[in-house]
Amino acid sequence: DAKTTQPPSMDCAEGRAANLPCNHSTISGNEYVYWYRQIHSQGPQYIIHGLKNNETNEMASLIITEDRKSSTLILPHATLRDTAVYYCIVRVAIATDKLIFGTGTRLQVFP
Amino acid sequence: EPEVTQTPSHQVTQMGQEVILRCVPISNHLYFYWYRQILGQKVEFLVSFYNNEISEKSEIFDDQFSVERPDGSNFTLKIRSTKLEDSAMYFCASSLDRLINTEAFFGQGTRLTVV
Repeated sequence: DAKTTQPPSMDCAEGRAANLPCNHSTISGNEYVYWYRQIHSQGPQYIIHGLKNNETNEMASLIITEDRKSSTLILPHATLRDTAVYYCIVRVAIATDKLIFGTGTRLQVFP
Repeated sequence: EPEVTQTPSHQVTQMGQEVILRCVPISNHLYFYWYRQILGQKVEFLVSFYNNEISEKSEIFDDQFSVERPDGSNFTLKIRSTKLEDSAMYFCASSLDRLINTEAFFGQGTRLTVV
């Protein structure tokens, strides 16, 4: 699976958009970009995933650059409950069913 | 909303004892997983399970570990002889299909403390 690079921490004001970047410059054509988050010590929670196109769901939007070497997770209106560690995971969907978690970005949403 | 449930939430055991961690995956899911997270460290994959057999396992998942789906609803992780370094949060997960364009749902975890 391609390696990902994320900033270790970010802050965001409540109500503002949180933009979490992820670099995956070695990504190959059949690798998906997944985002999960972990609130405190709870189990990881799926947020969104995509291959090439931008994706949006009720939780977030995923913007993938045209060359697919980086992506951005956008939480449009961050709340205090969005404080968590956010993991960007790039994986080859067919070869394996395991998710390889890195160290992620610790997002702190402040009032 | 369906969820993965794990019991117990916290288990304390003596070194050398056997422990069984229990999970009830989402009812129509077919793929099951165990992950662990040692305090302050990354979430690590242990094993995946499909069609009543292990489909993939990590180097961590040695002979001390085993998994079972005894009755069609529970999914268990057994550690035969616990060591201090087995102390961690253990997360069960399930998915409807292989993780091809779908997601895994995680339980809230069992905190295992080996003393």
